[in-house]
Amino acid sequence: DAGVIQSPRHEVTEMGQEVTLRCKPISGHDYLFWYRQTMMRGLELLIYFNNNVPIDDSGMPEDRFSAKMPNASFSTLKIQPSEPRDSAVYFCASRGTGVGPQHFGDGTRLSIL
Amino acid sequence: AQTVTQSQPEMSVQEAETVTLSCTYDTSESDYYLFWYKQPPSRQMILVIRQEAYKQQNATENRFSVNFQKAAKSFSLKISDSQLGDAAMYFCAYRTPNSGNTPLVFGKGTRLSVIA
Repeated sequence: DAGVIQSPRHEVTEMGQEVTLRCKPISGHDYLFWYRQTMMRGLELLIYFNNNVPIDDSGMPEDRFSAKMPNASFSTLKIQPSEPRDSAVYFCASRGTGVGPQHFGDGTRLSIL
Repeated sequence: AQTVTQSQPEMSVQEAETVTLSCTYDTSESDYYLFWYKQPPSRQMILVIRQEAYKQQNATENRFSVNFQKAAKSFSLKISDSQLGDAAMYFCAYRTPNSGNTPLVFGKGTRLSVIA
């Protein structure tokens, strides 16, 4: 079975540029989560969706961050404009309704120069 | 708010020996789930083991087992017969099954080194 698929795996871009991270959840999973991981702050939940609807975006750091889930098989996390402090590994995870665990993608390592 | 605390930023173990990673959590809920995730240098987040709070029996997955002490709100992970491939960051995580609180709450992690 295909797991959670994230792209790109690595992204290096200059400050001020727009960055779009992509995620394809596991088919049939109706929850999707975006996390950010840094050495200083560990794993932080940014936003999560249920049935494509954003449920809690209180972890989104600033208005420069936005996330969408236009359908059950695709989500994006966008940063515009990007800043060096946004450099981190961004994980997408999904799970089904009920007691199942979250399944994580391989993450996107984002470096903003 | 629920919190998860991993008090050991780093641990090391000799190959073939046993190591225990500690995790405590704070919650007022009676029903919840606990997880241990492993993150090797490849940065994948891999589920190691899970425990439902209503189950008294400690979960076991091969060389990995937990010591779940509900009253003490403790959920430690024991790795037996440690292998070099066990070297990774280990995260303890918590969530409730309630529809209004489904995200995982993670601890800060414990970096485990395995010495040959």
